[in-house]
Amino acid sequence: GQQVMQIPQYQHVQEGEDFTTYCNSSTTLSNIQWYKQRPGGHPVFLIQLVKSGEVKKQKRLTFQFGEAKKNSSLHITATQTTDVGTYFCARSNDYKLSFGAGTTVTVRA
Amino acid sequence: GAGVSQSPSNKVTEKGKDVELRCDPISGHTALYWYRQSLGQGLEFLIYFQGNSAPDKSGLPSDRFSAERTGGSVSTLTIQRTQQEDSAVYLCASSRTASGNTIYFGEGSWLTVV
Repeated sequence: GQQVMQIPQYQHVQEGEDFTTYCNSSTTLSNIQWYKQRPGGHPVFLIQLVKSGEVKKQKRLTFQFGEAKKNSSLHITATQTTDVGTYFCARSNDYKLSFGAGTTVTVRA
Repeated sequence: GAGVSQSPSNKVTEKGKDVELRCDPISGHTALYWYRQSLGQGLEFLIYFQGNSAPDKSGLPSDRFSAERTGGSVSTLTIQRTQQEDSAVYLCASSRTASGNTIYFGEGSWLTVV
């Protein structure tokens, strides 16, 4: 099926540092959504990107949609322990959301 | 209700038994989804309901799995003759409509088959 690939699978970050996680597709995406799942919790919607080249910010999180609408990235600055969790991107194919495998983030204090 | 409600939150069952998992979506949401998440894995689509349309069952892993949605609201996912590989978190989600809308997940039903 039409999948989105996320890299890296795991991200170990020193508190205070920045990092970026990527979401890639071989086909053009109509939109891309990002979700965060805390350990033991359920996925929670973060943001949706629709336009080519779109950039949206939420405090220390910056989301970007590629010009070709085939990739997206999430950049977190000054990582905090509250950023721990798994970040999923999901492509929307009409009504069905297909999720990537996620990037699991751990933070070293 | 305020959010998607799922029950039971935890279920331990013996191999071969049937289980029923319930989902109560957010009031007014016409779209309802079931996903499965095995330990440390991503989310696997199972089934989708939208209004009175025929459900998309394309993600159900076997004929032991079935789901219903009564009155366009509450949904029940049934797993017959459970196997150990069915152990996972079963997540229900709903959205206002379909087509790119944000979906809201419940807390999940943690199923363990022993």
